[in-house]
Amino acid sequence: GAVVSQHPSWVICKSGTSVKIECRSLDFQATTMFWYRQFPKQSLMLMATSNEGSKATYEQGVEKDKFLINHASLTLSTLTVTSAHPEDSSFYICSTRSYREQETQYFGPGTRLLVL
Amino acid sequence: AQTVTQSQPEMSVQEAETVTLSCTYDTSESDYYLFWYKQPPSRQMILVIRQEAYKQQNATENRFSVNFQKAAKSFSLKISDSQLGDAAMYFCAYRIRKAGNNRKLIWGLGTSLAVNP
Repeated sequence: GAVVSQHPSWVICKSGTSVKIECRSLDFQATTMFWYRQFPKQSLMLMATSNEGSKATYEQGVEKDKFLINHASLTLSTLTVTSAHPEDSSFYICSTRSYREQETQYFGPGTRLLVL
Repeated sequence: AQTVTQSQPEMSVQEAETVTLSCTYDTSESDYYLFWYKQPPSRQMILVIRQEAYKQQNATENRFSVNFQKAAKSFSLKISDSQLGDAAMYFCAYRIRKAGNNRKLIWGLGTSLAVNP
């Protein structure tokens, strides 16, 4: 399967600061990237879908000004949590589909965010 | 609306035994994909198996196999010869096959599988 990396794997920040999470597809071109949020012992909640070079499509209820997504290249997407608050603490996972293999999504290892 | 239901929040199995995790889904589409993903304690989501709805043959991957019943909209996962490393949360997911903005994965709530030595 495809390899997807995420950085950082975990981050602790103070309330009010911004945090950037990077997602990279290491061995393929990712035309579409997905950002999920997962609370403990729950399923994945899709936050937004992004295609390279275009604006992300956000799911209902997700604040686009708070969760900024940039998909500037076919191998890199970033999620920036702006003015983070304790309620933003969560596990964030990126996922990609490759141009060649559209059927399956591959997932990054996730980023644990703790906002104090 | 498309939904995925996993009716077993928790399951357990003895090492080397076989266990079946259930999944049902609801859709009016005829062409779609079904997936089982595994999320171990590391929380890395790993693809276990994929099934294309147009294929009648059940997908298999080593010790993992599915029982795909399209008419019943059922997609169960069988794990044979269970190993300690199989302990994880298992998610069933559905995705429409045709192009368009609605090609996102629809997830079940997951089944937590414990493997007893």
